[in-house]
Amino acid sequence: DVQMTQSPSYLAASPGESVSISCKASKSINTYLAWYQEKPGKTNKLLIYSGSTLQSGTPSRFSGSGSGTDFTLTIRSLEPEDFAVYYCQQHNEYPLTFGSGTKLEIK
Amino acid sequence: QVQLQQSGTELVKPASSVKISCKASGYTFTSNYMHWIRQQPGNGLEWIGWIYPGNGNTKYNQKFDGKATLTADKSSSTAYMQLSSLTSEDSAVYFCAREGHTEALYFDYWGQGVMVTVSS
Repeated sequence: DVQMTQSPSYLAASPGESVSISCKASKSINTYLAWYQEKPGKTNKLLIYSGSTLQSGTPSRFSGSGSGTDFTLTIRSLEPEDFAVYYCQQHNEYPLTFGSGTKLEIK
Repeated sequence: QVQLQQSGTELVKPASSVKISCKASGYTFTSNYMHWIRQQPGNGLEWIGWIYPGNGNTKYNQKFDGKATLTADKSSSTAYMQLSSLTSEDSAVYFCAREGHTEALYFDYWGQGVMVTVSS
């Protein structure tokens, strides 16, 4: 199975700042990486797929980059609604696997 | 708008089975794969498997073979997952999630999750 190592597990930042979350795969997954946002009381939201393609409705302050084994989710100019838990998921091969999550909190 | 409405919280006894549901609306149910995902307390997300409601085909994570059984009812646009021989390890939140595009293997809509607690 492809192991997905996400870091950091916890991140504190202030509105207006920019942050980056890393996701590393144990083997190459080409560009097949998705990012999701988890918020209390809401269903999980797909932000980005195929490494860098924004899902319809995802604000442009979100961006994804990377290929092979190393990927990054960047959020520019944080808005209050961005404070949430973020997960990466490889969609290159079975079994599909997820990172362990990054909790982004307000500093 | 696409919605996946899952059934309610379950409290079940060890060694028993439970069947949870996921009712889809806002799209053609038979056109998208439906996946199931587990989240154990304090743990990350694990992929269980998928069903294609159009023909009933299924694929499972080997880890859940024999534990989970996926079915779908086209007449009610509802997907089901039955979990058998339950132990405390099966206590978790279970999500259904729609695959974005055929063979894309990522999920564009999720259900709200069903908490299953296995306890005597």
